[in-house]
Amino acid sequence: QQQVKQSPQSLIVQKGGISIINCAYENTAFDYFPWYQQFPGKGPALLIAIRPDVSEKKEGRFTISFNKSAKQFSLHIMDSQPGDSATYFCAAVNYGGATNKLIFGTGTLLAVQP
Amino acid sequence: DAGITQSPRHKVTETGTPVTLRCHQTENHRYMYWYRQDPGHGLRLIHYSYGVKDTDKGEVSDGYSVSRSKTEDFLLTLESATSSQTSVYFCAISVTGEVHEQFFGPGTRLTVL
Repeated sequence: QQQVKQSPQSLIVQKGGISIINCAYENTAFDYFPWYQQFPGKGPALLIAIRPDVSEKKEGRFTISFNKSAKQFSLHIMDSQPGDSATYFCAAVNYGGATNKLIFGTGTLLAVQP
Repeated sequence: DAGITQSPRHKVTETGTPVTLRCHQTENHRYMYWYRQDPGHGLRLIHYSYGVKDTDKGEVSDGYSVSRSKTEDFLLTLESATSSQTSVYFCAISVTGEVHEQFFGPGTRLTVL
């Protein structure tokens, strides 16, 4: 119930292409879905977040698409650049639940080739 | 970087020895978290704190204890380190009080031989 499943584990994209990372969840009580970006040797950093009452949120080249009925959400990186090469984590939190903690996916290592 | 520092940044220790990792913040935020990061597991919450002397367990708390005697410091202790505790440990704070908005420290790489 508390898991967030993330795929793929790794992804190679050519410069200028679209990177797509998918996550799925079971707990319908989750009510916030952030994405974190982590560069080698650094801590994760919040990239973008979405609430389940919104189907899409865009910030620059980064877009979250949310499908509540399918219990899935995805991160799209448009015009991918070598500087986007990093590990990406999806996450979920249930603010009304007993845990009230961030549950992370297992991460996707993105490599954007020049 | 939200004023978070972690010390030490790297540590090698032997099985059975006690280890304490320190997380220090400069801005008096209430919520602080300890995570461990392992390949294939992502980030898993060990313990968290919602104020001085107020702490609670996360999903992988066995073998770990924490203390928070001052707002700015959150200590993670491995009472008797084991090789399974070899990991990268991250401290995080919630600046806004919103759980989904966390700022992470630079991490501590711990190796238990």
